[in-house]
Amino acid sequence: AQTVTQSQPEMSVQEAETVTLSCTYDTSESDYYLFWYKQPPSRQMILVIRQEAYKQQNATENRFSVNFQKAAKSFSLKISDSQLGDAAMYFCALGDFGNEKLTFGTGTRLTIIP
Amino acid sequence: ETGVTQTPRHLVMGMTNKKSLKCEQHLGHNAMYWYKQSAKKPLELMFVYNFKEQTENNSVPSRFSPECPNSSHLFLHLHTLQPEDSALYLCASSHGRVLAGGPKDTDTQYFGPGTRLTVL
Repeated sequence: AQTVTQSQPEMSVQEAETVTLSCTYDTSESDYYLFWYKQPPSRQMILVIRQEAYKQQNATENRFSVNFQKAAKSFSLKISDSQLGDAAMYFCALGDFGNEKLTFGTGTRLTIIP
Repeated sequence: ETGVTQTPRHLVMGMTNKKSLKCEQHLGHNAMYWYKQSAKKPLELMFVYNFKEQTENNSVPSRFSPECPNSSHLFLHLHTLQPEDSALYLCASSHGRVLAGGPKDTDTQYFGPGTRLTVL
């Protein structure tokens, strides 16, 4: 069975600073995808970034980047130059290649301190 | 944020009521999903439909009945619910099963805003 663990229920960061959210996972598959989703308060969940497991290069999307350590089964999200609009629940998710099922973690609530 | 829409956004119902949740996607996707989101728990996948066929039923009680009349619409029919069924119900869509040479983001799921359900 696949599992995704987010060990930080809550995090806070000063505006303009950098914060890293942790995620570890377990799967027996060799091909899979990893995702970070963001769910702002009372708003819908949106994709932040995704990583294909077969790619060694870490994915980046503007201020968001990941540190993907396949051997350690770790997939952390780094947010640089934090902005007030980054305040949200962040969910890490794991999906098998060719399978629609996603396994989610319990989420990390990120607070941005002005 | 209008690619996947859900109605109603909020629903309060008694345990003996029958109601339906509706989801519509405007992204040309072929797969649609129902998730249940409860506080401090991971999102729970309930149902998956691919090309209108149900491909996943994650041991969901029969008081939840999905319907997928076409690739753009998904319903969740509710009857004789329990208070513990109160949660945020999320709909999502994606391109579906990976096809050879398919779109780059085949496995990315796009979510609707959810229906906040309260069962009294």
